[in-house]
Amino acid sequence: AQSVSQHNHHVILSEAASLELGCNYSYGGTVNLFWYVQYPGQHLQLLLKYFSGDPLVKGIKGFEAEFIKSKFSFNLRKPSVQWSDTAEYFCAVPGAGSGNTGKLIFGQGTTLQVKP
Amino acid sequence: DVKVTQSSRYLVKRTGEKVFLECVQDMDHENMFWYRQDPGLGLRLIYFSYDVKMKEKGDIPEGYSVSREKKERFSLILESASTNQTSMYLCASTEGSGGPYNEQFFGPGTRLTVL
Repeated sequence: AQSVSQHNHHVILSEAASLELGCNYSYGGTVNLFWYVQYPGQHLQLLLKYFSGDPLVKGIKGFEAEFIKSKFSFNLRKPSVQWSDTAEYFCAVPGAGSGNTGKLIFGQGTTLQVKP
Repeated sequence: DVKVTQSSRYLVKRTGEKVFLECVQDMDHENMFWYRQDPGLGLRLIYFSYDVKMKEKGDIPEGYSVSREKKERFSLILESASTNQTSMYLCASTEGSGGPYNEQFFGPGTRLTVL
């Protein structure tokens, strides 16, 4: 069955530190992977997605993620975080039998707190 | 821009009440979803709908029902609210074609407290 696991539940960093948030998945079909972000008081929104091709995917606000098939991982990275990156981050994969429904399974989420 | 709106940002109800949460999207999306978001558990799918009057159970449908009479509107119903349904409820929508390739667009959420 499809599943996704995020290792870090709460991460605290200082500004300018590098970020890596872990995501591991279990998925039997064609791999599609997503990271969503929820800034304080805002809607959940898409950060980046991987469907095929270059395993290094770039998203908004300087974020990137690397799909490593052998490790079943899709870790989110940013070389230098800012205070404005404080948010909750969710990794997601398509749900079982999602077909054209776009159904997703989300990980537990990682709360990132960036100290100025 | 896609807009997904939810009827209330905050709601307080009493145990046993019937609760309606409304969601409206303005982009003619076929698929609509209801999630609940709880700390440490992420987003869990309650129900989704892929067409008018069509619905499917998600991972945690117990205690909930849904209604989709019009394409733009998807309602979540708590038949008899209980304290363990205190949570943040998120609605989302996405296009029907393209399946998992499509971005889900989320509403602002409704924080429901059941006393």
